Amino acid sequence: GNSVTQMEGPVTLSEEAFLTINCTYTATGYPSLFWYVQYPGEGLQLLLKATKADDKGSNKGFEATYRKETTSFHLEKGSVQVSDSAVYFCALHTGTASKLTFGTGTRLQVTL
Amino acid sequence: SQTIHQWPATLVQPVGSPLSLECTVEGTSNPNLYWYRQAAGRGLQLLFYSVGIGQISSEVPQNLSASRPQDRQFILSSKKLLLSDSGFYLCAWNLGQGYNEQYFGPGTRLTVT
Repeated sequence: GNSVTQMEGPVTLSEEAFLTINCTYTATGYPSLFWYVQYPGEGLQLLLKATKADDKGSNKGFEATYRKETTSFHLEKGSVQVSDSAVYFCALHTGTASKLTFGTGTRLQVTL
Repeated sequence: SQTIHQWPATLVQPVGSPLSLECTVEGTSNPNLYWYRQAAGRGLQLLFYSVGIGQISSEVPQNLSASRPQDRQFILSSKKLLLSDSGFYLCAWNLGQGYNEQYFGPGTRLTVT
């Protein structure tokens, strides 16, 4: 079946450091891929998405490239801020009833 | 624009008591609707989804049930809560078949004591 694997957290970085959060997936066909962000005590917000191989999703300085050959969708940001502290979820679209399969989430903590 | 509401925001209930959580969506018609649970420090578990009024699909066997009495209303219920029902409950919607992304509500924090 479909699955998403994310790197274990928490990830602790200093402000302005480079961020990478790894995400790999297992799926049949070519699913759409997503990154969601959850700030403390809130629901999830869509951060970015990619719908086909080699697509790059980007938003708010975050980027992720859909790599079919490595079945990966790693999240990157060149310079993180304290306000980026949150939990980040990688997800794939399975098609049936537009359901999403989520990874377990990676907590990011950015310090001054 | 579309908005999604959940209430209550927080709830503390004793074991064995009933539960009713409500989710409503504004600004769209015939959305797909979803209930997720997020246990402390864990990922999201899809509990139920609905592609139309009265149509409910359950993803995991459990102590909970869902109903969709109106097009944009989705209710999560239980007759008798268990300690293991504690968690953060999230409702989400999507435009339907052919649309990929889901949009989430603010969530309900349920503590069963």
